[in-house]
Amino acid sequence: QSALTQPASVSGSPGQSITISCTGTSSDVGAYNFVSWYQQHPGKAPKLMIYDVSNLPSGVSDRFSGSKSGNTASLTISGLQAEDEANYYCFSYTISSTAAVFGGGTKLTVL
Amino acid sequence: EVQLLESGGGLVQPGGSLRLSCAASGFTVSSTYVAWVRQAPGKGLEWVSLIYTGGNTRDADSVRGRFTISRDNSKNTVYLQMHSLRAEDTAVYYCARGHTTGTWSFEYWGQGSLVTVSS
Repeated sequence: QSALTQPASVSGSPGQSITISCTGTSSDVGAYNFVSWYQQHPGKAPKLMIYDVSNLPSGVSDRFSGSKSGNTASLTISGLQAEDEANYYCFSYTISSTAAVFGGGTKLTVL
Repeated sequence: EVQLLESGGGLVQPGGSLRLSCAASGFTVSSTYVAWVRQAPGKGLEWVSLIYTGGNTRDADSVRGRFTISRDNSKNTVYLQMHSLRAEDTAVYYCARGHTTGTWSFEYWGQGSLVTVSS
């Protein structure tokens, strides 16, 4: 099972919006609404930012939003702030034997 | 307050075994799903194993047959027993608790335990 495909890096200026894509297949992203997104700062544990494609966990800023179209899920961050600079990973359940798979990760740089 | 504390990591030779523990507080491990996720040095996240509330388990292809996830409700602890370890199993291993209503999403994470497989 290959990892979900994410861009290696994205960047944006403070106040701007950015979108990170996560492309899978009809066996994972396209099959279920079980896509989640995680933020990870260097040396820290991951933090859940979005679950079940578009739901916001308690305590997470509403500047973060998620969506899905076909086999591609997306994470959008609006009103970029310096503290958003981190690595972001998508994750999806899959019907394949491996059960679940992460994306390769995207490094977000706030210029 | 929900907390997860991993322990048991360390240096092990190729082919060896190791058992990681994830001691939970603030919730009962049998009330939700708990998973292990690992991260090799400088690399991305990789899902490893998960145990459901009913005790059923799922494993990633890369570890199936070598790793076993289990839990001890009396100790409120989840374990990852690892056998036949390889160099590519070197990673920080995180345990993570499932989201209350989400599916296959992990709301709480431990600080991680480093496993190094090397001779």
